[in-house]
Amino acid sequence: NAGVTQTPKFQVLKTGQSMTLQCAQDMNHEYMSWYRQDPGMGLRLIHYSVGAGITDQGEVPNGYNVSRSTTEDFPLRLLSAAPSQTSVYFCASRSGYGNQPQHFGDGTRLSIL
Amino acid sequence: KQEVTQIPAALSVPEGENLVLNCSFTDSAIYNLQWFRQDPGKGLTSLLLIQSSQREQTSGRLNASLDKSSGRSTLYIAASQPGDSATYLCAVRLNYGGSQGNLIFGKGTKLSVKP
Repeated sequence: NAGVTQTPKFQVLKTGQSMTLQCAQDMNHEYMSWYRQDPGMGLRLIHYSVGAGITDQGEVPNGYNVSRSTTEDFPLRLLSAAPSQTSVYFCASRSGYGNQPQHFGDGTRLSIL
Repeated sequence: KQEVTQIPAALSVPEGENLVLNCSFTDSAIYNLQWFRQDPGKGLTSLLLIQSSQREQTSGRLNASLDKSSGRSTLYIAASQPGDSATYLCAVRLNYGGSQGNLIFGKGTKLSVKP
């Protein structure tokens, strides 16, 4: 079982560049989300989606865009990369029904120079 | 605003000890509470999920308790092993509003078990 797959695993960008972090899940989960993890700050929610075509902002959405055209995929776009966006990014998914655990990908380590 | 706190931030114990990790949250209106394990450079692995109506959950050497009224959860690890060394994260799932379903995380407890 693949679970939640994130690509790439590592990326270095220059300030001002744009890129898309990919996330795919094969569990037919309705709920997907993106977090960033920074030292001393813990995990913070960027954007989330409760189903295809529905997205909403989390705690730290500025500088990021998302879309959800299919149940499986939930890409995160950095519009114009800034050094403050250097972080580890995690994608997660969960069934929309009942008390189900959240599953996480292995993360994308992003450095902005 | 829901806040989740984990104490201590770091813990070092000799192999074989039983230990308790603590998690507290400020708003008791939670849907569930989840404990995760994170190894260095890796993603999060779900260990235990406690529904708001439950008092505890057990999996092998792990036991998690929940006291919603006091805003506390503990993760008990029996007979610790060096392989238990990792960061343990506590997260609560909100039970209200448009953000229902989102997880609020503590900053974690970094556990080191010495051989």
